[in-house]
Amino acid sequence: AQSVTQPDIHITVSEGASLELRCNYSYGATPYLFWYVQSPGQGLQLLLKYFSGDTLVQGIKGFEAEFKRSQSSFNLRKPSVHWSDAAEYFCAVGGGRALNFGKGTSLLVTP
Amino acid sequence: DAGITQSPRYKITETGRQVTLMCHQTWSHSYMFWYRQDLGHGLRLIYYSAAADITDKGEVPDGYVVSRSKTENFPLTLESATRSQTSVYFCASSGTDSEQYFGPGTRLTVT
Repeated sequence: AQSVTQPDIHITVSEGASLELRCNYSYGATPYLFWYVQSPGQGLQLLLKYFSGDTLVQGIKGFEAEFKRSQSSFNLRKPSVHWSDAAEYFCAVGGGRALNFGKGTSLLVTP
Repeated sequence: DAGITQSPRYKITETGRQVTLMCHQTWSHSYMFWYRQDLGHGLRLIYYSAAADITDKGEVPDGYVVSRSKTENFPLTLESATRSQTSVYFCASSGTDSEQYFGPGTRLTVT
């Protein structure tokens, strides 16, 4: 069965610091992997996705993620966080059409 | 307007009443989805549809009914609302790849 684990419920980083959000998945084959961001009161916006090929994928807003098959991970990174990055981040995995979402990581950015 | 819209954005209803949440997309995407978002649970799939007149259950379908007579619309009906169905409901659609595009959400309160 598919499952997604985001081990960190909350993360606090200082503005300008680097960020890594963790995502581990369980899936029987090579999955499609996604990171979405949700600002308060808003819907979900796609940051980046991995289907195949280069395991380091670039997304919008300066985010990147690396697919590591051996670790069943798809961690999201950003070298320098901006205050506007404060939001909820969701990792998702799918193999067909329906996606299985993690429970999310809430990011707080301090001055 | 182009994109995916949901109506109403906010709804308060009483226990036992029937309520329908509307979802409309203008991309002619074949796949459409309904999720509910609850604190501590992330997004959970209620129902999805692969095409007009084709629907299937997701993780939490009990108490919900869907239909899809036209490609662009995917209404979700709570036949007899319960307090446990108080939630934020998101509709999404997906085209030729697995990327899902989300609507702005409907905040439903059942009193």
